[in-house]
Amino acid sequence: GENVEQHPSTLSVQEGDSAVIKCTYSDSASNYFPWYKQELGKGPQLIIDIRSNVGEKKDQRIAVTLNKTAKHFSLHITETQPEDSAVYFCAATNSLQGGSEKLVFGKGTKLTVNP
Amino acid sequence: KAGVTQTPRYLIKTRGQQVTLSCSPISGHRSVSWYQQTPGQGLQFLFEYFSETQRNKGNFPGRFSGRQFSNSRSEMNVSTLELGDSALYLCASSTRTGYGYTFGSGTRLTVV
Repeated sequence: GENVEQHPSTLSVQEGDSAVIKCTYSDSASNYFPWYKQELGKGPQLIIDIRSNVGEKKDQRIAVTLNKTAKHFSLHITETQPEDSAVYFCAATNSLQGGSEKLVFGKGTKLTVNP
Repeated sequence: KAGVTQTPRYLIKTRGQQVTLSCSPISGHRSVSWYQQTPGQGLQFLFEYFSETQRNKGNFPGRFSGRQFSNSRSEMNVSTLELGDSALYLCASSTRTGYGYTFGSGTRLTVV
């Protein structure tokens, strides 16, 4: 089955710097890669996702890149702010239309943005 | 619109007891998934329901079960609780399976 590795497990940056979190996946059939942000006491919140037919996607300060050949994808946060501090999870799945596949999550990255 | 609602938020149970957790998905979402989150194992898939049918199940013992009702609301049940079942149980809903899941805030289960 699918296995997702996420690095680093912790990341500390200064406010205004960029943060990059990387994930690798094992199943070449995976075609949907969401990223979630989890704040203390809350459930994971979807912040951006990418499908395998796209190499990059941006949403304001957040971007995700996907390299299908190398089977890795990354989250890029620019101009970080203290409110970006949270645990970030990547996930992968083979999401067939009309089918059903579970999300396989990485272990998470605790991002701390220092003012 | 209202998000995914999970009840109760916190629960303390004794070993050997059983527990039922509830999830109300976003209106119009027919797919509901359940995940267990622990510090050691991270987020692990339990099961997924779509239109009252279980479509996928994770690698958990048979003590873990679930169901979905005609209004898409879902419940999961854990019988014969063990200490290791202590975790945050998260429910997520989507309009279609596999895409854009929205998570609830979870139910924190503590087994003593």
